[in-house]
Amino acid sequence: GENVEQHPSTLSVQEGDSAVIKCTYSDSASNYFPWYKQELGKRPQLIIDIRSNVGEKKDQRIAVTLNKTAKHFSLHITETQPEDSAVYFCAASITGSARQLTFGSGTQLTVLP
Amino acid sequence: DAGITQSPRYKITETGRQVTLMCHQTWSHSYMFWYRQDLGHGLRLIYYSAAADITDKGEVPDGYVVSRSKTENFPLTLESATRSQTSVYFCASSVYRGETQYFGPGTRLLVL
Repeated sequence: GENVEQHPSTLSVQEGDSAVIKCTYSDSASNYFPWYKQELGKRPQLIIDIRSNVGEKKDQRIAVTLNKTAKHFSLHITETQPEDSAVYFCAASITGSARQLTFGSGTQLTVLP
Repeated sequence: DAGITQSPRYKITETGRQVTLMCHQTWSHSYMFWYRQDLGHGLRLIYYSAAADITDKGEVPDGYVVSRSKTENFPLTLESATRSQTSVYFCASSVYRGETQYFGPGTRLLVL
């Protein structure tokens, strides 16, 4: 089955700096890669996703890049703000297949004021 | 977000008791999931369902039972609760296989 590894497990950045979280996946057939943000005591919520036919996707201060050859994808957050502090999860799946989303282990991002 | 709800939001029970966690979604999503989240373990899939009366095991199904008689409901039962089942339980749903999942608010369960 699919295996998703996420790094780093914790990340601290100064407010205004950029943050990058990286995930690698094992199944080259995976074609859907969402990112979830989970604030303390809240549910995971989708913040951005990318499909295998796209190399990069942006949404304001958030971007995701995908390298299919290397089988890794990354979340980039620019101009970080205190409200970006949360746990971020990556995931991978094959859309339409019986295999559901496989989640990474999460990254605790702390934005220091 | 109001489309998927969980009840109760908090539950304290004792070892050996049966507990049922409820999940209800109003989107008519075909797929529903149960995860548990423990510190240091991220999200672990317990069971999922592709449609009414179709369920399948996930990564950590032991000690849990699910049913899905109606598309909108997916209850999770702990037949005889153990302390190791103390966790936060999230229900989720999705429209298609392998697509975006939308999570409920979670149930915090404490087994004494």
